[in-house]
Amino acid sequence: QVQLQESGPGLVKPSQTLSLTCTVSGDSISSGNYYCNWIRQPAGMGLEWIGRFYGGGSTNYNPSLKSRVTISADMSKNQFSLKLYSVTAADTALYYCARGTPSVTGAFDIWGQGTMVTVSS
Amino acid sequence: QSALTQPASVSGSPGQSITISCTGTSSDVGSYSLVSWYQHHPGKAPKLMIYEVNKRPSGASNRFSGSKSGNTASLTISGLQPEDESDYYCCSYAGVTTFVFGTGTKVTVL
Repeated sequence: QVQLQESGPGLVKPSQTLSLTCTVSGDSISSGNYYCNWIRQPAGMGLEWIGRFYGGGSTNYNPSLKSRVTISADMSKNQFSLKLYSVTAADTALYYCARGTPSVTGAFDIWGQGTMVTVSS
Repeated sequence: QSALTQPASVSGSPGQSITISCTGTSSDVGSYSLVSWYQHHPGKAPKLMIYEVNKRPSGASNRFSGSKSGNTASLTISGLQPEDESDYYCCSYAGVTTFVFGTGTKVTVL
């Protein structure tokens, strides 16, 4: 079955760049109509959509994060990545990658387990 | 944009039905039939329960149903079971290719 797995450093220093990777197994992100999303959840708070990569090169970002975010994909590795620049303590959160497809329009049907990232010196 | 508003908690006894509301604005819930609901057990991956307001993906129990009226969407769980105890989040497309989640609701089975 399709599985998503996040990976990356669990600790990032303030002002530095948070970098995470989502590895997809059981499906191909280059198969077309595949939306690669990043979503986060600060401790004790709700979910926040960060952005998505799709169509081989298109991206959409949450307006509140747009100036600090880049989402990209490596089709050869079946992975997509998140970079969040100039992080602060407010970026400490559980980060999820999630799939979107046309079969579930406007939704995220498969999620990774999440990876915790703490921003601290 | 602001998070969609959900009640912090809802509870019910086994076998009962409960409804969770999700209130947005005319810019998100009120404008698009792209509301989805997620069940989230802490420490686990969120699970899609409803999409496009009232559609169930394969694997989601038919005890879960969704609806929408104006700027408010709702998730109803019928025949409440102990395993339904979890956090639930709504999500809506908010235009300009962005999405907004709800504040989350903790469901307790008494």
